[in-house]
Amino acid sequence: GENVEQHPSTLSVQEGDSAVIKCTYSDSASNYFPWYKQELGKGPQLIIDIRSNVGEKKDQRIAVTLNKTAKHFSLHITETQPEDSAVYFCAAFSYGGATNKLIFGTGTLLAVQP
Amino acid sequence: NAGVTQTPKFQVLKTGQSMTLQCAQDMNHEYMSWYRQDPGMGLRLIHYSVGAGITDQGEVPNGYNVSRSTTEDFPLRLLSAAPSQTSVYFCASSDRWTTDTQYFGPGTRLTVL
Repeated sequence: GENVEQHPSTLSVQEGDSAVIKCTYSDSASNYFPWYKQELGKGPQLIIDIRSNVGEKKDQRIAVTLNKTAKHFSLHITETQPEDSAVYFCAAFSYGGATNKLIFGTGTLLAVQP
Repeated sequence: NAGVTQTPKFQVLKTGQSMTLQCAQDMNHEYMSWYRQDPGMGLRLIHYSVGAGITDQGEVPNGYNVSRSTTEDFPLRLLSAAPSQTSVYFCASSDRWTTDTQYFGPGTRLTVL
């Protein structure tokens, strides 16, 4: 079935450094790729998304890139701050026959060391 | 707006017991869904609804029932709880489609003994 692989599972960076999280997806028809941030004890919150008609999207310190040929997309966080520490999930919208759904990656625990 | 609310926040059940996880949203969203989150497995779709009176199965529907009698509410029922249903459950809503921004509730942590 459709799946999304996410790497790394944990990432530790120093405050001010950049962080990159990578995801690959299997459904070549996928056309919507959101990223969610989940803080401890809370539900996931959308931080940025990209659709298949663009290759890159930025929002302040956060950017997402998409390579449809290679079927992978990445989250880039620059000038990391301690409040960026959280679990990050990528997802891909999959046209899976009768069920159209978001397929989530397994998450990346980002720790930003002050 | 309260957004998406879920109750209870925590629940402990014994095997075989039944219960209903409540979910409500006040954003007039058509699309609502239930996910379970397990360590190392991300979020998996249980059931979803594209509007009042319409529900459908997701990836892992076995052991769960849903109904959608109003736009606002989307309860998830466990008819006979099993230890394999120990998980954190999230309800989400979006304007119309899966590809609209999904707003997640705070979650319900369920333990089945």
